[in-house]
Amino acid sequence: AQKITQTQPGMFVQEKEAVTLDCTYDTSDPSYGLFWYKQPSSGEMIFLIYQGSYDQQNATEGRYSLNFQKARKSANLVISASQLGDSAMYFCAMRERDTGTASKLTFGTGTRLQVTL
Amino acid sequence: NAGVTQTPKFQVLKTGQSMTLQCAQDMNHEYMSWYRQDPGMGLRLIHYSVGAGITDQGEVPNGYNVSRSTTEDFPLRLLSAAPSQTSVYFCASTKGLANTGELFFGEGSRLTVL
Repeated sequence: AQKITQTQPGMFVQEKEAVTLDCTYDTSDPSYGLFWYKQPSSGEMIFLIYQGSYDQQNATEGRYSLNFQKARKSANLVISASQLGDSAMYFCAMRERDTGTASKLTFGTGTRLQVTL
Repeated sequence: NAGVTQTPKFQVLKTGQSMTLQCAQDMNHEYMSWYRQDPGMGLRLIHYSVGAGITDQGEVPNGYNVSRSTTEDFPLRLLSAAPSQTSVYFCASTKGLANTGELFFGEGSRLTVL
């Protein structure tokens, strides 16, 4: 069974600093995708970044990068140059790459990030 | 662009009442799903659909029904509401596995069952 573990319930980071949010996963499927979503206090779910299990390079999207270590089954999110607007809950999620389950994601419990001045 | 639209945004029910959470998407996505979010537990999958007429159960389906008569709509029905169904509900859709195949979420529906 798929499982996502986020061990940091809360994190603090100073503005303009970089921060790493941890995510480990467990799956027996050799083909899978990993996602990070941001949930601000307003409640919506915002897609940030995606990494496929066969992707050779770590994914990057602007200030977001995904540190993918397949052998360790980790997919940490790195946010560079933190901004006050980055304060939110962050969820790691995984999907097995089966077309019958494209809308089935398994989510972690989330990490609440607070950016301070 | 509307994306994924959920109604209502807020609802209070009494135990035993039934209701339907509406979900509509205008992106012609085949795949849709319903999740519930509870404090400290992340999002959990209730039901999902891979196309019109095809639905299946997720991790926590008990007490909920779904149907998918059109590509656009995927309503979630609570048959007899219980306090344990107090939660925030999210509908999501995706076009599939092309590129990132990310899920697009609605704004959420906050349900309280008294």
